[in-house]
Amino acid sequence: DTGVSQDPRHKITKRGQNVTFRCDPISEHNRLYWYRQTLGQGPEFLTYFQNEAQLEKSRLLSDRFSAERPKGSFSTLEIQRTEQGDSAMYLCASSLASAFFGQGTRLTVV
Amino acid sequence: TQLLEQSPQFLSIQEGENLTVYCNSSSVFSSLQWYRQEPGEGPVLLVTVVTGGEVKKLKRLTFQFGDARKDSSLHITAAQPGDTGLYLCAGEYDYGQNFVFGPGTRLSVLP
Repeated sequence: DTGVSQDPRHKITKRGQNVTFRCDPISEHNRLYWYRQTLGQGPEFLTYFQNEAQLEKSRLLSDRFSAERPKGSFSTLEIQRTEQGDSAMYLCASSLASAFFGQGTRLTVV
Repeated sequence: TQLLEQSPQFLSIQEGENLTVYCNSSSVFSSLQWYRQEPGEGPVLLVTVVTGGEVKKLKRLTFQFGDARKDSSLHITAAQPGDTGLYLCAGEYDYGQNFVFGPGTRLSVLP
């Protein structure tokens, strides 16, 4: 499968714990995006990389959130000191022109 | 703030009916994508349009990009239950920028 891959698919964590999600983009895609989606809403932009450079971050990305793409290939999104409001689907996409999405990581903070 | 609106928000129709959903912005897009999303899954790309006035067809789905590149429509002919899902449009305002999503149209096609 050469599509965008996200891991894990589901994560349940206790409030206050740290979590890390991984995204493996389509190999030739230089742009990688993270979005968050809550029930009944469209995806909200979080951050975006071109190769290893993080070019844009949303105001939604508080200082508890950090994203990296160290070698311009896979990316990680870490959430520190999780809160119940962080519960959502976290989506990764990659593109050369059009954006292709992974299946998402569903985070539940209890 | 760049906003992208979609209408209607919800649509429930019988199998065999035709429907059109809309995506609108006050700003010009460099490109626009339509996606379909099922519960618990990521959005799946249906089409990308880049030229004002462009029309693309994908089986029973017809996508049109407005002449001014500020709006788009998706028309489904003879809808089937398998068309049920959340239809999202996403616009790229400048090449190389992030994609801004609308809130989606939730379509339900009843057998």
